[in-house]
Amino acid sequence: GAGVSQSPSNKVTEKGKDVELRCDPISGHTALYWYRQSLGQGLEFLIYFQGNSAPDKSGLPSDRFSAERTGGSVSTLTIQRTQQEDSAVYLCASTQKTGSYNSPLHFGNGTRLTVT
Amino acid sequence: GNSVTQMEGPVTLSEEAFLTINCTYTATGYPSLFWYVQYPGEGLQLLLKATKADDKGSNKGFEATYRKETTSFHLEKGSVQVSDSAVYFCALSDGAGNQFYFGTGTSLTVIP
Repeated sequence: GAGVSQSPSNKVTEKGKDVELRCDPISGHTALYWYRQSLGQGLEFLIYFQGNSAPDKSGLPSDRFSAERTGGSVSTLTIQRTQQEDSAVYLCASTQKTGSYNSPLHFGNGTRLTVT
Repeated sequence: GNSVTQMEGPVTLSEEAFLTINCTYTATGYPSLFWYVQYPGEGLQLLLKATKADDKGSNKGFEATYRKETTSFHLEKGSVQVSDSAVYFCALSDGAGNQFYFGTGTSLTVIP
């Protein structure tokens, strides 16, 4: 596709339910990132995938959060037993990594998650 | 460690005013620097970038110069428009290009 695609664009869920957020990166981009943006806050790094390497999960806030990337392309962020503090916009970004060249991130429009 | 500090907002300017949004950074190695813009209801878009010291990134009338001596990457525009109203994020990627660090964002509102 032309850009990073995220779905759904909006998700309202009840506290305690599980949710899955999907990200389809730009074709050929080897690196994929998930960030969380809370109201009025900056971007909080969650997790990073690069090719077939083990993901950098250092930003995941709790063991309720997990992510996978199948076939080096589509990624799913899963939040189990959602809490109200999980309400935020979840942003996915991808980039082409070629050696040490720092290509910029390309962001999707995000998924706005509301936990009631 | 790596970090980005940008000026607090919100910033409100009249149309055609001069804009500066300050950004300073702390980094090991040789980072690349970026400004991203987020229009209401949208994801972040790359505005401009600079990959080495003294480089000037520019786009849509915005400019920023990579100043290694002052560890700064201030965003400037000579004459803002209402359509520039958005949140602006300064960011750096580390020398290995594995991790990106973002400032907290500066909200800009331009009034006619």
